[in-house]
Amino acid sequence: AQSVTQLDSQVPVFEEAPVELRCNYSSSVSVYLFWYVQYPNQGLQLLLKYLSGSTLVKGINGFEAEFNKSQTSFHLRKPSVHISDTAEYFCAVSAQGGKLIFGQGTELSVKP
Amino acid sequence: NAGVTQTPKFQVLKTGQSMTLQCAQDMNHEYMSWYRQDPGMGLRLIHYSVGAGITDQGEVPNGYNVSRSTTEDFPLRLLSAAPSQTSVYFCASVRTGTPDPGANVLTFGAGSRLTVL
Repeated sequence: AQSVTQLDSQVPVFEEAPVELRCNYSSSVSVYLFWYVQYPNQGLQLLLKYLSGSTLVKGINGFEAEFNKSQTSFHLRKPSVHISDTAEYFCAVSAQGGKLIFGQGTELSVKP
Repeated sequence: NAGVTQTPKFQVLKTGQSMTLQCAQDMNHEYMSWYRQDPGMGLRLIHYSVGAGITDQGEVPNGYNVSRSTTEDFPLRLLSAAPSQTSVYFCASVRTGTPDPGANVLTFGAGSRLTVL
């Protein structure tokens, strides 16, 4: 079975500072990895995905993530955040393509 | 192209009432699923279906029922609502098993907010 742990439930950061949201997963088989973002009172939007190939994945809004198989991690990074990045971020893993297992979520709060 | 459509967006029920959350997709995806979202717990899988006529339980199936009579529709039924089922529900669909870039990435509906009093 797969599981996902997001290591920080809340991350406060000042505008224009860099940010890293941490995600670790466990699985005995090869996986697909995803980051989703949820803005207040909205649905889920795909930020980026790792299905195969390059371990550094670039997504929308300047975010990127690196798949590290040896450390079973898929941390999300952005070099300079904006107020508009304030949202909840979810890491998710799938071993079968359709059955996503989500982490608990990380609330990113960007302050001026 | 509507994607995944969920209805209703909001619903208030009394304990013991039953209702159905509707989910429809127009992308001919074979795989559909229902999640519930609760604060601090992320999204948890309730039920899923790999094709018409085939359903299976996810992580939190108790109190919910599903059926899949067509590829397009995957309704979620609450048989006797309880306050613990107060949540936001998301339906999703995906095409799996192929290497094209659009496969293996879930498309989510906008969500249905349910309150059980």
